[in-house]
Amino acid sequence: DGGITQSPKYLFRKEGQNVTLSCEQNLNHDAMYWYRQDPGQGLRLIYYSQIVNDFQKGDIAEGYSVSREKKESFPLTVTSAQKNPTAFYLCASSLGQLSQPQHFGDGTRLSIL
Amino acid sequence: GESVGLHLPTLSVQEGDNSIINCAYSNSASDYFIWYKQESGKGPQFIIDIRSNMDKRQGQRVTVLLNKTVKHLSLQIAATQPGDSAVYFCAENTGNQGGKLIFGQGTELSVKP
Repeated sequence: DGGITQSPKYLFRKEGQNVTLSCEQNLNHDAMYWYRQDPGQGLRLIYYSQIVNDFQKGDIAEGYSVSREKKESFPLTVTSAQKNPTAFYLCASSLGQLSQPQHFGDGTRLSIL
Repeated sequence: GESVGLHLPTLSVQEGDNSIINCAYSNSASDYFIWYKQESGKGPQFIIDIRSNMDKRQGQRVTVLLNKTVKHLSLQIAATQPGDSAVYFCAENTGNQGGKLIFGQGTELSVKP
């Protein structure tokens, strides 16, 4: 089945540790996105990538990093510089053209130990 | 409408009734709008979209209305079912930042059997 797979579903981070969240899609979409969702709030854009080997900062990129070495993969690293990392992280992809919906994975919930 | 803080607007309806969820969007330049449904612990699921050159679009049991004059979007769900219980988000796309979506805070729909 085509879709977006995020792993792990739950992740725990220790102080000073970097952690990487995985996002894989087999929809052949050019564009991929990372969002952060806090309780009772909408989604905020962290990073996005419109094409392989290229990515741009979103609204809340500080303390995060990404890479886009393959079309189907867009991993997100939450670094120790992110002081409030506890949140629900959502990855999305789209054809990247205007007026095309983004399709989401089922998220990774990150907590601090 | 939108609210500030951690308390989502809520809508409670009886099974079988019609539901109307409202959204005020922020950017008059936005030209594409999407409604998503998010169940607890899952990623947002695409419901229906509409382009700015339309004022109404119908899907299966759902209708989206767009009023560009007052920057208002609504989602109508006919014959609401318990399975419709979820948080509903509207999102707007201005065409900037690679298809970045701006999300509203969301409305929690609760359906009483």
